[in-house]
Amino acid sequence: GAVVSQHPSWVICKSGTSVKIECRSLDFQATTMFWYRQFPKQSLMLMATSNEGSKATYEQGVEKDKFLINHASLTLSTLTVTSAHPEDSSFYICSARDGLAFGTGELFFGEGSRLTVL
Amino acid sequence: AQSVSQHNHHVILSEAASLELGCNYSYGGTVNLFWYVQYPGQHLQLLLKYFSGDPLVKGIKGFEAEFIKSKFSFNLRKPSVQWSDTAEYFCAVKGNTGKLIFGQGTTLQVKP
Repeated sequence: GAVVSQHPSWVICKSGTSVKIECRSLDFQATTMFWYRQFPKQSLMLMATSNEGSKATYEQGVEKDKFLINHASLTLSTLTVTSAHPEDSSFYICSARDGLAFGTGELFFGEGSRLTVL
Repeated sequence: AQSVSQHNHHVILSEAASLELGCNYSYGGTVNLFWYVQYPGQHLQLLLKYFSGDPLVKGIKGFEAEFIKSKFSFNLRKPSVQWSDTAEYFCAVKGNTGKLIFGQGTTLQVKP
């Protein structure tokens, strides 16, 4: 299947700093990418939908100024956690849909990025 | 709004036992249904999916799921589990919004 890669896999930062997480589709063009957040022992919660060349659509309750999403190209979306606080510590997962295979509906997931805010 | 409910939060089975994990969804329109698995320390992997046609879907590693439209269900089954099936299982639904919404997940522990 298609490959989605996230970087970094894990990051530790101090409270108040900003962290950027990258999501790349390695062998396909992703017109749409999704960002999820997963708390320990819990399910994936959709944070936002990222469309190439346009503003992201955020789910209810997700602060768009806190979680900045940029989808500048067909293979890269970034999530920036601004002014991070310990409660932002979580596992962030991106997924991408092959633009040419829209009808299949299948999403391909990255490995996830574990953020720990001290 | 779409929602997905998985009834079993934690299931413990012995090897060779049969498995059935429940999944119900609420959405009035056409849906695509998925089961994903997350092995310890690994990322999500697709087990199987349903888009249309035969409601009994066969996936990888001997898993299958049956879409029952009248019950809004998509239960996952496996006749005989193995220790290596120990993992977290997520049911997910995609409606016409294109968003994939996940259930709460079921932790399966298979005892050797």
